[in-house]
Amino acid sequence: GESVGLHLPTLSVQEGDNSIINCAYSNSASDYFIWYKQESGKGPQFIIDIRSNMDKRQGQRVTVLLNKTVKHLSLQIAATQPGDSAVYFCAEQFGNQFYFGTGTSLTVIP
Amino acid sequence: DAEITQSPRHKITETGRQVTLACHQTWNHNNMFWYRQDLGHGLRLIHYSYGVQDTNKGEVSDGYSVSRSNTEDLPLTLESAASSQTSVYFCASSEGLNYGYTFGSGTRLTVV
Repeated sequence: GESVGLHLPTLSVQEGDNSIINCAYSNSASDYFIWYKQESGKGPQFIIDIRSNMDKRQGQRVTVLLNKTVKHLSLQIAATQPGDSAVYFCAEQFGNQFYFGTGTSLTVIP
Repeated sequence: DAEITQSPRHKITETGRQVTLACHQTWNHNNMFWYRQDLGHGLRLIHYSYGVQDTNKGEVSDGYSVSRSNTEDLPLTLESAASSQTSVYFCASSEGLNYGYTFGSGTRLTVV
């Protein structure tokens, strides 16, 4: 099956700083990508998506960058807040299914 | 507001028992999915359905079954629970291909 990996399992940032979470995906034919946020005891929550014909997409305080050359996806969170503390994972769509990474745990230090 | 709900939130069962986890969505989505989440593995697909009477096996379907008799519900049944099936189970639904999934809050299942 497909594998989606994250470079770092944990990330700690100071409140107010920017956070960058990275993801490597394995299939160059994957055409749609999503970042999810999962808080403790809750289900994954959609944050932002990007299609393969784009290299950047911005939302509210979040930006996703897609580098198809090296099969790399990143999530940037601006002015990180305590409420951003969670596990973040990426998902790639290949064919008619999504494949999910194991996640990066983000801790925001007040 | 539309939602996707799972029940129960927590369940403890004995090895060998049959267990059914419920998933109900009011989004009117045709696509529904069941995943399990274990440390170090991420979300792994168990079964999925693209519409009423349609069911398909996922990556880790052994020991599980689903049925889709209406649009709203996709119950997941563990035929004979095993300790290896102790996990957190998530149901999800989506509008279709190239749309993100909406997840339920999960069911934590412990098999003793």
